[in-house]
Amino acid sequence: ETGVTQSPTHLIKTRGQQVTLRCSSQSGHNTVSWYQQALGQGPQFIFQYYREEENGRGNFPPRFSGLQFPNYSSELNVNALELDDSALYLCASSLRDRTYEQYFGPGTRLTVT
Amino acid sequence: QKEVEQDPGPLSVPEGAIVSLNCTYSNSAFQYFMWYRQYSRKGPELLMYTYSSGNKEDGRFTAQVDKSSKYISLFIRDSQPSDSATYLCAMKSSNYQLIWGAGTKLIIKP
Repeated sequence: ETGVTQSPTHLIKTRGQQVTLRCSSQSGHNTVSWYQQALGQGPQFIFQYYREEENGRGNFPPRFSGLQFPNYSSELNVNALELDDSALYLCASSLRDRTYEQYFGPGTRLTVT
Repeated sequence: QKEVEQDPGPLSVPEGAIVSLNCTYSNSAFQYFMWYRQYSRKGPELLMYTYSSGNKEDGRFTAQVDKSSKYISLFIRDSQPSDSATYLCAMKSSNYQLIWGAGTKLIIKP
């Protein structure tokens, strides 16, 4: 059984740029959730994807967008980067009817300068 | 007021002690209660989940949910230095979203 993987591990971007983060789900999982975790804080829900459609969204602006592919892998795109976007971005996979049981990747640490 | 409150710590205890970690919440619609462990620079790892009220045990870990008090706990018996990490509680109602506490940093001293 393959776990959740994310790429890249670290990323440094300049304010105003765009970034794409990638996630590969755990084998057999059909739902992907993305989170932003600031230092010393719990994860904040960005959105969730199921069957290639956004299934729910947290309190994040539209410049945060995503995709889910037929193989259940996923991307998080952030446009017009701001300094406050610096954080650990986490991807979690689960089954659609068991979203209380989410399995996380190692995260991508994004630094915006 | 946040929906889920968790003391950030740090909580420092000697090896072998019983550790008690807690969260309080305000949303009575929460049905699922989860505990995750997060080591530095890693993603959270699911330890246990509980549906509704009651206790659940898994090895050295016991999770308790008291819905009447809106209070959940995680107990760790015979704590080990390898248990040193940040422990996050998370909760879920019938919708898709997990609501998280800020995490408690736990330090087990050898």
